Amino acid sequence: GEDVEQSLFLSVREGDSSVINCTYTDSSSTYLYWYKQEPGAGLQLLTYIFSNMDMKQDQRLTVLLNKKDKHLSLRIADTQTGDSAIYFCASRGAQAAGNKLTFGGGTRVLVKP
Amino acid sequence: DGGITQSPKYLFRKEGQNVTLSCEQNLNHDAMYWYRQDPGQGLRLIYYSQIVNDFQKGDIAEGYSVSREKKESFPLTVTSAQKNPTAFYLCASRNSRADNEQFFGPGTRLTVL
Repeated sequence: GEDVEQSLFLSVREGDSSVINCTYTDSSSTYLYWYKQEPGAGLQLLTYIFSNMDMKQDQRLTVLLNKKDKHLSLRIADTQTGDSAIYFCASRGAQAAGNKLTFGGGTRVLVKP
Repeated sequence: DGGITQSPKYLFRKEGQNVTLSCEQNLNHDAMYWYRQDPGQGLRLIYYSQIVNDFQKGDIAEGYSVSREKKESFPLTVTSAQKNPTAFYLCASRNSRADNEQFFGPGTRLTVL
């Protein structure tokens, strides 16, 4: 079945850029998503990218997609303490029944002042 | 305010008891989903429903049951057959005609004692 992998933890200083990486196995993935989860809360969609795009920028967020290597990254510019959270990468395959998403295990980002 | 509500936020049950988690949405979304989240892991799909009176098993449906009698509501029952029910449960919904985004509720943390 499909698989999505992420590194477990990232520590970054306030004001620096953060880069969170994700790899996926489903070559038919049509959409790739980045969600943010704050402690004890649900998931908030940050951004998504369609598989025919290489890059998408939205304010401080930049998503890069390397479809050949099945690699997705999320760059957060000027990282703030409020960006401390768990970030999940998710993919949706072209044939996914019910538009099911496959999630990575999440990357915990800690922003140090 | 439109959104998804899950209640209660924390739930404690004795081993061997069935328990039902509530999920309600007023977004007029057709599709609804239940996910389970364990520490250090991504979300795993339990059940989903694309339309009233219809639902499908996800990846880890054993020990769970759902119903979809109304568009707004998609309750999840954790039965005594579920071997390891303690987890954080997240409900999501999606406008199947328009959006790619799944909107998530705040979650219910179930602890079985």
